[in-house]
Amino acid sequence: KQEVTQIPAALSVPEGENLVLNCSFTDSAIYNLQWFRQDPGKGLTSLLLIQSSQREQTSGRLNASLDKSSGRSTLYIAASQPGDSATYLCAVPRGAQKLVFGQGTRLTINP
Amino acid sequence: NAGVTQTPKFQVLKTGQSMTLQCAQDMNHEYMSWYRQDPGMGLRLIHYSVGAGITDQGEVPNGYNVSRSTTEDFPLRLLSAAPSQTSVYFCASSSDWTGSNQPQHFGDGTRLSIL
Repeated sequence: KQEVTQIPAALSVPEGENLVLNCSFTDSAIYNLQWFRQDPGKGLTSLLLIQSSQREQTSGRLNASLDKSSGRSTLYIAASQPGDSATYLCAVPRGAQKLVFGQGTRLTINP
Repeated sequence: NAGVTQTPKFQVLKTGQSMTLQCAQDMNHEYMSWYRQDPGMGLRLIHYSVGAGITDQGEVPNGYNVSRSTTEDFPLRLLSAAPSQTSVYFCASSSDWTGSNQPQHFGDGTRLSIL
């Protein structure tokens, strides 16, 4: 059974800091890993998708890495801004059309 | 480009009532899914479809019904609402299966309360 864990559940940092969010998964036989952002009362927005053959993906100030052998992914956010405050979720595919999600990390960037 | 549109945004039902949650996408995606999000349980797959006329059960299908008569629409029906179905429901779509290089696009959700 695939389990996805995100630690910490909540993180608060001052504006301008670089930060890392963590995601771990128990079964390393994955096709890809996605990072999502969820704002309060809103749906999920896909930030980055890393395929199993890739080590990294970058989009603007975001960089996601994937280490299948250790069952870990990290999302690096550079020069954090108050607008980055949201819940960040990671997910891996499992079976037919199913994504297994972590519980998320609630990020607060303080001005 | 609207993406994935869900209606209604909020709904309150009484136990035993039935209703349909609407989901429409304008991206010509073949793959569509319904998830529910509950505190402490995360997101769980209810039903999914890989194209018009093709649907299948996910992780928590009991009490829900789906059909897919067009590529654009994927409604979720609650047959007889129960308090345990109080949740936030999300519809998602993609141009390819979850193991591909194509991301999932989510709607803004329907917040459903069953009294």
